[in-house]
Amino acid sequence: SQQGEEDPQALSIQEGENATMNCSYKTSINNLQWYRQNSGRGLVHLILIRSNEREKHSGRLRVTLDTSKKSSSLLITASRAADTASYFCATYGNNNDMRFGAGTRLTVKP
Amino acid sequence: DGGITQSPKYLFRKEGQNVTLSCEQNLNHDAMYWYRQDPGQGLRLIYYSQIVNDFQKGDIAEGYSVSREKKESFPLTVTSAQKNPTAFYLCASSIGAGAAGEQFFGPGTRLTVL
Repeated sequence: SQQGEEDPQALSIQEGENATMNCSYKTSINNLQWYRQNSGRGLVHLILIRSNEREKHSGRLRVTLDTSKKSSSLLITASRAADTASYFCATYGNNNDMRFGAGTRLTVKP
Repeated sequence: DGGITQSPKYLFRKEGQNVTLSCEQNLNHDAMYWYRQDPGQGLRLIYYSQIVNDFQKGDIAEGYSVSREKKESFPLTVTSAQKNPTAFYLCASSIGAGAAGEQFFGPGTRLTVL
């Protein structure tokens, strides 16, 4: 079964606004990662946060992790039309296995 | 797509036939993974391999088989036992045990059963 669950399933915003996506998971993890997928393509790694970290930044991306609540959030600031894609969280377990959530479909309107 | 190739891009299969999807990587990664993605859904883990000649079942291994005879190759066979094989199949690799697990994905193979 899938480990992560994203919320919301779909998000539509205007260019320049911030987009926040949430992810919840069920079991203990080594780290949590966020990926992006353009329609019909492979996934691209965005950012990784280790289980002992609480917040991480990369450019316009900010990720938080709360292991007590088994949840993470991805914030994309000052969104652009090119950010339109599906975003997935993935949990990396202690058996080197990876589990993905169902994803959030983000639409950024110009 | 990060040094991972998948072929073919599109594949059509008649019911009752086995088909093999190719995945090759030139990143010198130890670990390789196969996922299935259905329309509007996330990725579900089929099989993964942490090292040559070893692999583990994921969440939906029934009806699929794999081999890992070479480090750079991890082919997936969709057998006739898989009752609903029409889906988008993604292969990925990562450095392996002890590393952070960042995965690099191929472009995918879209399988359609006729």
